[in-house]
Amino acid sequence: AAGVIQSPRHLIKEKRETATLKCYPIPRHDTVYWYQQGPGQDPQFLISFYEKMQSDKGSIPDRFSAQQFSDYHSELNMSSLELGDSALYFCASSPPGSFTDTQYFGPGTRLTVL
Amino acid sequence: AQSVTQLGSHVSVSEGALVLLRCNYSSSVPPYLFWYVQYPNQGLQLLLKYTTGATLVKGINGFEAEFKKSETSFHLTKPSAHMSDAAEYFCAVSEIAGTASKLTFGTGTRLQVTL
Repeated sequence: AAGVIQSPRHLIKEKRETATLKCYPIPRHDTVYWYQQGPGQDPQFLISFYEKMQSDKGSIPDRFSAQQFSDYHSELNMSSLELGDSALYFCASSPPGSFTDTQYFGPGTRLTVL
Repeated sequence: AQSVTQLGSHVSVSEGALVLLRCNYSSSVPPYLFWYVQYPNQGLQLLLKYTTGATLVKGINGFEAEFKKSETSFHLTKPSAHMSDAAEYFCAVSEIAGTASKLTFGTGTRLQVTL
């Protein structure tokens, strides 16, 4: 079965650079979520999109922005990178339906800021 | 806001022994609860979920969990541990957020399985 695709899988950036993370949800899933998992931490909700509109925002820095496109893929843009942004960034998607539907996670993008 | 507490950041069991990972939740509304597993350098994989109905939920790889409202618990169990069960386990609660939902995770429990 198709899964959530994230690219790139690994990314190394310098401080103050920008990064773009991409997420391709499972086909026919209309909701996308972004989570950040710091070293040894639990995943923290960043932002979500439903039908290409922002649904909710968590603890996402103003330096980060995201959007969902017409084909339902999503991009997380991160500017002025800081050392503390080094983390594993997960994208998840869920199908149309009730709020109880499972979120299916991608393999993550590991961002290292030097 | 809803929250999840996982007791024990590290649990070690012998192969073949019972696995018990504890999760307690706090929620003002009927909770939707999940257990995810994360293997090293991999994403989160759903083990099982509880939404409504039967309180004993069976998942993949022989895991199950029981929702106990009176104890606000959703502990994960497996009768007999296997070496391949070694991983990080996250309990999570889902809440409505805007037009979708969001998961709030516990801090995770690292399961070690020894010979």
